[in-house]
Amino acid sequence: NAGVTQTPKFQVLKTGQSMTLQCAQDMNHNSMYWYRQDPGMGLRLIYYSASEGTTDKGEVPNGYNVSRLNKREFSLRLESAAPSQTSVYFCASSERDNTEAFFGQGTRLTVV
Amino acid sequence: GQQVMQIPQYQHVQEGEDFTTYCNSSTTLSNIQWYKQRPGGHPVFLIQLVKSGEVKKQKRLTFQFGEAKKNSSLHITATQTTDVGTYFCAVANAGGTSYGKLTFGQGTILTVHP
Repeated sequence: NAGVTQTPKFQVLKTGQSMTLQCAQDMNHNSMYWYRQDPGMGLRLIYYSASEGTTDKGEVPNGYNVSRLNKREFSLRLESAAPSQTSVYFCASSERDNTEAFFGQGTRLTVV
Repeated sequence: GQQVMQIPQYQHVQEGEDFTTYCNSSTTLSNIQWYKQRPGGHPVFLIQLVKSGEVKKQKRLTFQFGEAKKNSSLHITATQTTDVGTYFCAVANAGGTSYGKLTFGQGTILTVHP
């Protein structure tokens, strides 16, 4: 099993550009998450999806949109990238709420 | 939303010394999870505590859940260089519109000097 796969691993964007971070899990998990990690800030939840077709905002949703079109995939879109969105992004999944979360390898995004 | 405060933010120890990180919440928690993130890596699940006063051990790691289920600790005995990394606690918000969201503490960065 691959677990949680994120693409791309690295990305450099210019301010104002858009992009989509892809995440897929092959563990048949119901819950999926997007986090960003900045130095000294820990992991902050951007969006959360409890099941296919449902999404909910986390702590820092501004500037992001998400899509959970099927059970496997949960994508994160930046419509107009800003330097403040420079961060490491992690996707995670869990079988259901309150169970162990599995993380992808992360995407290191730089917005210049 | 439900939040947890984690202390200390940094801890530097000599190899062989003990290490403890703490998580505190103002509200009662249904459960708490602990994760480890190696430098340059991704968070990896260590354990979940559910019961009041629960104590679990994994080799040199001891996890405790407070009697009131408002705090938790991770203690490492005789640290090794392989223990280097950031340790996070995490809680899943329970109830209302925040149900299921897994929220992380700020993490404790552990450095071990050989």
